[in-house]
Amino acid sequence: QVQLVESGGGVVQPGGSLRLSCAASGFTFSTYAMHWVRQAPGKGLEWVAFIRYDGSNKYYADSVKGRLTISRDNSKNTLYLQMNSLRGEDTALYYCAKDGVPFCSTISCIDGFDCWGQGTLVTVSS
Amino acid sequence: SYELTQPPSVSVSPGQTASITCSGNNLGDKFACWYQQRPGQSPVLVIYQDTKRPSGIPERFSGSNSGNTATLTISGTQAMDEADYYCQAWDSSTVLFGGGTKLTVL
Repeated sequence: QVQLVESGGGVVQPGGSLRLSCAASGFTFSTYAMHWVRQAPGKGLEWVAFIRYDGSNKYYADSVKGRLTISRDNSKNTLYLQMNSLRGEDTALYYCAKDGVPFCSTISCIDGFDCWGQGTLVTVSS
Repeated sequence: SYELTQPPSVSVSPGQTASITCSGNNLGDKFACWYQQRPGQSPVLVIYQDTKRPSGIPERFSGSNSGNTATLTISGTQAMDEADYYCQAWDSSTVLFGGGTKLTVL
């Protein structure tokens, strides 16, 4: 079955770095765009970043632009989020999510996110 | 910047119909999706392309989108439907989520 498993979360000091991973299985990873979405404790969902199925196009939320970098390794069926210059407001549960349309070349693939991981918690605190 | 607005909470009695709205400027010109998130769980897609249900989602979930408002309707609401619900759409090169609505089944 389709499965996404995030890892790499933890406690980091302000200004520090962390790299999250999302291991995908049960589908042809290289044909689907992927996203990172985060949820601060007790708050709603916030979209973070998008990467096209082949890695050739990426978009970011304004709140993370220049600090967080999305990437993927299709040979390893793995999605990444490199997090630098972390701030307290980055504290959240980070989900990876699969786009619903194969080979969609834009961010607005209208079928939504049809699979989510269980999330990995990032806490930014001194 | 474009925003999606949802009511913070909606209450419904078991067996009745619940309606959760999502408002945005000319939202009807975009496609909307809806996600259900039960406490302690990851979100689940329940409606996409305004009105379509993914496989495995009960028929009691339906959606509409016109003008400035998208609506998620749950007919014959059950206790298991108690959850947070989020609308989602796209604007330019951004994915947008509404603030979420807590559905309470009394």
